[in-house]
This record gives sequence, structure tokens and C-alpha cells, in this order.
Amino acid sequence: EADIYQTPRYLVIGTGKKITLECSQTMGHDKMYWYQQDPGMELHLIHYSYGVNSTEKGDLSSESTVSRIRTEHFPLTLESARPSHTSQYLCASSEYGQFYGYTFGSGTRLTVV
Amino acid sequence: AQSVTQLDSQVPVFEEAPVELRCNYSSSVSVYLFWYVQYPNQGLQLLLKYLSGSTLVKGINGFEAEFNKSQTSFHLRKPSVHISDTAEYFCAVKAAGNKLTFGGGTRVLVKP
Repeated sequence: EADIYQTPRYLVIGTGKKITLECSQTMGHDKMYWYQQDPGMELHLIHYSYGVNSTEKGDLSSESTVSRIRTEHFPLTLESARPSHTSQYLCASSEYGQFYGYTFGSGTRLTVV
Repeated sequence: AQSVTQLDSQVPVFEEAPVELRCNYSSSVSVYLFWYVQYPNQGLQLLLKYLSGSTLVKGINGFEAEFNKSQTSFHLRKPSVHISDTAEYFCAVKAAGNKLTFGGGTRVLVKP
């Protein structure tokens, strides 16, 4: 079944650690996105990609980085986690074209202690 | 540039009562409109979308929305809610540039 997967679902990690949040989709979508969502619910776009080797920063500045070496894979990395990075991170993908909405993963809830 | 305003941050409602979630957008070009639902500790799930044609759009779980171009609105309704409808709801708009712009969300709390 075509879907989008995020791992881990929950992560508690100490300050200063390097972490990578995984996102993979099996739908062959060219476009992929990372959103940060704080407890206040609002979604903030932090990174997006329109294809392999293409990555752009989103509307909200983030210390994280992303890569897109394969169409199906769009990992997000924090080199040195801080408590301010505590949040939920949502990955999404879409087909090319304005008719299409996004398909979201289940999210990773990150807590940095 | 486009923007989306969800006029209510929280909507408490009793079970089996109707609910309406308000969404207004601004855009200088034609847009496509979406409603998503987010259950606790989950990602977002598409409820319905308006692309063209009939202004009344029916979605999953008994929800519907009406596109009103003159009022630049896309309000979401359900005639009778269930406890399981407790969730956050996001309105989103897509225009040129191909990225979705989300509203701030509305939290629906269904009370027994």
C-alpha cells in the first residue's frame, strides 16, 4: 500500500546529540516537505524538496538540515539537539501540480532534555 | 501571496449537535482549497478539497464544505458530531507556487 512513513514516532534525547528523523514515501512523489508543529497547533514549513538533489528552506528558519538523494527518502538532521528543538515534526509529500494536496506521515514527537 | 485565517481557535460542541468551522482566505489568483483533520498524536488526513465545479464539497466522515468566492470563504460543516470527531482541523489553500498554506487550526472538542 502506498504510504509515507516516519521514524521514530517518539524520541527523547539529550542536549548536544546528533539526530536524524527519517521520512520515506512509496508513492513516487517528487515533492516532499518537513513541517514543525508546536503544541499551539500551527504548522510551520521548515524544508521542502521538489526532486532529487533539490532542497529549499521553508518559511520558518530552522537549524536542521535535509537531504534528498533518493526520490523516496527525505531525512531531517539536527547536528546538535537543544531543548528549543522540542516539537513535533511532520513529513509530507505530493504529486506535481496544483490539484493535489499533501499526504502526511504520522509525525515524530521529539523531546530534547 | 496567499493567506488563510481560521476564525476560531477552539470550538466546544455537544455530541450530536452541528458544528461549523470557519475559514477565510486571501489570494490574488485562483486557488484550490483543502480541509485536513489531525487526531491526537497523528499526522494530517485529508477531509475534502475544492478544485472546481460545485461549490458544495462532500468529504469523509460526514463532513462537507462550501466554497464562497465572493466572501473568500471555505467553511466546514457537519450536521451531527460524534465524540470521535474531537481533533484539530486545518484549512489550507494552494495557488501559484504549488505549496499549501495552512491556517492556524481549530480545535474541536466534542462533549458527551
